Amino acid sequence: QQQVKQSPQSLIVQKGGISIINCAYENTAFDYFPWYQQFPGKGPALLIAIRPDVSEKKEGRFTISFNKSAKQFSLHIMDSQPGDSATYFCAAGGTSYGKLTFGQGTILTVHP
Amino acid sequence: NAGVTQTPKFQVLKTGQSMTLQCAQDMNHNSMYWYRQDPGMGLRLIYYSASEGTTDKGEVPNGYNVSRLNKREFSLRLESAAPSQTSVYFCASRIGLNQPQHFGDGTRLSIL
Repeated sequence: QQQVKQSPQSLIVQKGGISIINCAYENTAFDYFPWYQQFPGKGPALLIAIRPDVSEKKEGRFTISFNKSAKQFSLHIMDSQPGDSATYFCAAGGTSYGKLTFGQGTILTVHP
Repeated sequence: NAGVTQTPKFQVLKTGQSMTLQCAQDMNHNSMYWYRQDPGMGLRLIYYSASEGTTDKGEVPNGYNVSRLNKREFSLRLESAAPSQTSVYFCASRIGLNQPQHFGDGTRLSIL
């Protein structure tokens, strides 16, 4: 019930295209859904986060879409750039939990 | 402001050796975490400390011990290293529930 499933495992996109990464969770008590971005040799860094009282949150080229009834959320990267090439992790947590549960990660490659 | 500092950055051990991975944060955060990252497995929580003086097991605690030395420092100990513990280890901290976790840049550990 604590799992977060992320797909796809890897994604190749052309410069200017849209990158979409999906996550699904099981525990309905989760109420905090962050996305992390990780570059090689570095630790993950928070990219954007959403809470279930909204269905969408946008920050620049990055948008989280949230579907509470389906227990799914996704990251959309508009106008993808080579500098966006990284590993992306979704995660889920809740007020009742002292920890986050992470998805398996998606390796994004944006070709120039 | 260094954030989360992990030492060492790289380490090679022989099977059966012991070692301690160090983590320190200078952000006055209450909670600290230890993860391991393996290809295709995402970030798996080993142990965490919700506040100074408390520690709890995560998803994969076997073979590890932790010490929350004070509010700033949280160490991870491998008592008898095994090849299955070859991984990249990340320490993270955050101020409280549903707040962003801040990660260090990891310790790359190889056990021969």
